[in-house]
Amino acid sequence: DIQMTQSPSAMSASVGDRVTITCRASQGISNYLIWFQQKPGKVPKRLIYAASSLQGGVPSRFSGSGSGTEFTLTISSLQPEDFATYYCLQHNSYPITFGQGTRLEIK
Amino acid sequence: EVQLVESGGGLVQPGGSLRLSCVASGFTFSDNVMDWVRQAPGKGLEWVGRNDGRVKGYTTKYAASVRGRFTISRDDSMNSLYLQMNSLTTEDTAVYYCVRSGEAANRNVRFDYWGQGSLVTVSS
Repeated sequence: DIQMTQSPSAMSASVGDRVTITCRASQGISNYLIWFQQKPGKVPKRLIYAASSLQGGVPSRFSGSGSGTEFTLTISSLQPEDFATYYCLQHNSYPITFGQGTRLEIK
Repeated sequence: EVQLVESGGGLVQPGGSLRLSCVASGFTFSDNVMDWVRQAPGKGLEWVGRNDGRVKGYTTKYAASVRGRFTISRDDSMNSLYLQMNSLTTEDTAVYYCVRSGEAANRNVRFDYWGQGSLVTVSS
């Protein structure tokens, strides 16, 4: 199975900060990597697909990069509505696996 | 508008069974790969399994934690996806999400729409 390791597991930041979350795959997954945002009590929302493609309707302050085994999600200037938990997912091979999540909190 | 509406959740005793349903609308259901994803209370997301749809012969794949106990099926005439869960344990307590993963040939549309989820509680 491919393990997806996110770092950090939790972090605090301020509005306006630039934030980067990393996801590492235990083996190469090409660009079959998706990033989700989930707010408490809400359904996960797809932000980025194919590692770097922005989902329609998602603000351009979100961006993704990487290929192979190392991926990043960057929020260029944090907004109040961005405080949430973020998950990566690999769908290169079965079983499909999620990262453990990164909780982004207000400093 | 794409909509996915789950039903069938509830309280079940350990060792029991439950079947979740997901009714889809707003897209051509038969052409789409469909997934189930779950989330235990306060925990992260876990992929449960997939039904690949008509083009790929309705093949199914499962996570190791549910293989042999859970079965994913679908009725394209009813635009419905099902998750039959048997031999349930307390570890299966979670919100179960029905997820559209797009047409088989287009891997860029995986996990694009999610239902609101259905809570399954396994407890005596």
